[in-house]
Amino acid sequence: GIQVEQSPPDLILQEGANSTLRCNFSDSVNNLQWFHQNPWGQLINLFYIPSGTKQNGRLSATTVATERYSLLYISSSQTTDSGVYFCAVGAPGGSNYKLTFGKGTLLTVNP
Amino acid sequence: GAVVSQHPSWVICKSGTSVKIECRSLDFQATTMFWYRQFPKQSLMLMATSNEGSKATYEQGVEKDKFLINHASLTLSTLTVTSAHPEDSSFYICSATRDLGQGNPQPQHFGDGTRLSIL
Repeated sequence: GIQVEQSPPDLILQEGANSTLRCNFSDSVNNLQWFHQNPWGQLINLFYIPSGTKQNGRLSATTVATERYSLLYISSSQTTDSGVYFCAVGAPGGSNYKLTFGKGTLLTVNP
Repeated sequence: GAVVSQHPSWVICKSGTSVKIECRSLDFQATTMFWYRQFPKQSLMLMATSNEGSKATYEQGVEKDKFLINHASLTLSTLTVTSAHPEDSSFYICSATRDLGQGNPQPQHFGDGTRLSIL
């Protein structure tokens, strides 16, 4: 099956700093989503971005499908940005549009 | 829009008990629902995929007789952990999506998860 690698595994920032999280995948995808899992376990859908660039406030994401990677940018980080960020991809073919998750990036933003 | 509700949020029960978890899409019809399991400090692992009105498709290594899935309507899927034991303790989370056809996947929308603790 498709492999998903996220980097870095851990990231510690001071409030106000910017960061870039990366997601590499091993095959063509027709679905890519970025999530933020907060300390209570809730999975917040950040972006649905199988290709192209999107922005939502301080967050933006870019997926270059031909080169099999996606980037999540966090600007002016806040303590509430802390948590685990997951990238999940779906591969074409088959049915039911399954997602494969990466292992995540644990982000800690200190005040 | 695209709200998925999952209940209960947490369950503590004795070993041998069966536990049912509900996943509802509140404002859209979910042609497909997914059930994931997450152990502490690990990623989400897909357990099974369910389509309304048909049998669930389980991932390799997931016991279908242990984890019963029913998708009786376009807005409700249930996961029943039968005869639960301490090793079944985990965080279970569902998601839902709608199929617009033509091989065009739509985003998955997730519930808030259920923390299951078996004593």
